[in-house]
Amino acid sequence: EAGVTQFPSHSVIEKGQTVTLRCDPISGHDNLYWYRRVMGKEIKFLLHFVKESKQDESGMPNNRFLAERTGGTYSTLKVQPAELEDSGVYFCASSRLDRDDGYTFGSGTRLTVV
Amino acid sequence: QQPVQSPQAVILREGEDAVINCSSSKALYSVHWYRQKHGEAPIFLMILLKGGEQKGHDKISASFNEKKQQSSLYLTASQLSYSGTYFCGTENRRGGADGLTFGKGTHLIIQP
Repeated sequence: EAGVTQFPSHSVIEKGQTVTLRCDPISGHDNLYWYRRVMGKEIKFLLHFVKESKQDESGMPNNRFLAERTGGTYSTLKVQPAELEDSGVYFCASSRLDRDDGYTFGSGTRLTVV
Repeated sequence: QQPVQSPQAVILREGEDAVINCSSSKALYSVHWYRQKHGEAPIFLMILLKGGEQKGHDKISASFNEKKQQSSLYLTASQLSYSGTYFCGTENRRGGADGLTFGKGTHLIIQP
């Protein structure tokens, strides 16, 4: 079974530019989550999809962040325009609806805004 | 509210035991444990559900004390491969839309 795939693995962009991160969850996992870890801090929730519907986006920092999940399959997270404080590792995780097997995380996208 | 993990870091020799604690000020539905190695994805270890549980596989086990809203992860006869950062993630209710709330992590270093 393929795991959760994220790309790019690393991205370095200048302040003010746009970046789009992509996540391909495990096939059949209806739950998809985006998390972010800023250096030295905890992994923080950004938002949650069930299939193509946003269930909770209370963790999104501001309106510069936009997430979509087309057709309930892969998801994208766009940051526009990027700011220095957006730097960190962005993780995607997916799970079955019952979540009894926990979440499967991707390896993350390390975003550096300079 | 973020669960509190302790200790922040542990250095052990191979073969020694470790206990990592996770506590919350809110009633919990479940506690998840993950291990992350540098630059890799966090790996799911186990989930403990409301009602109080103990689980284990191989030499890694965990308990969940529902009354105290605490969970502990036990690593016995540690191996070099156990090194990494351990995170607990908590849910306050089943099917909560806001996912897991993670602790700050416990860094575990196993030395030969």
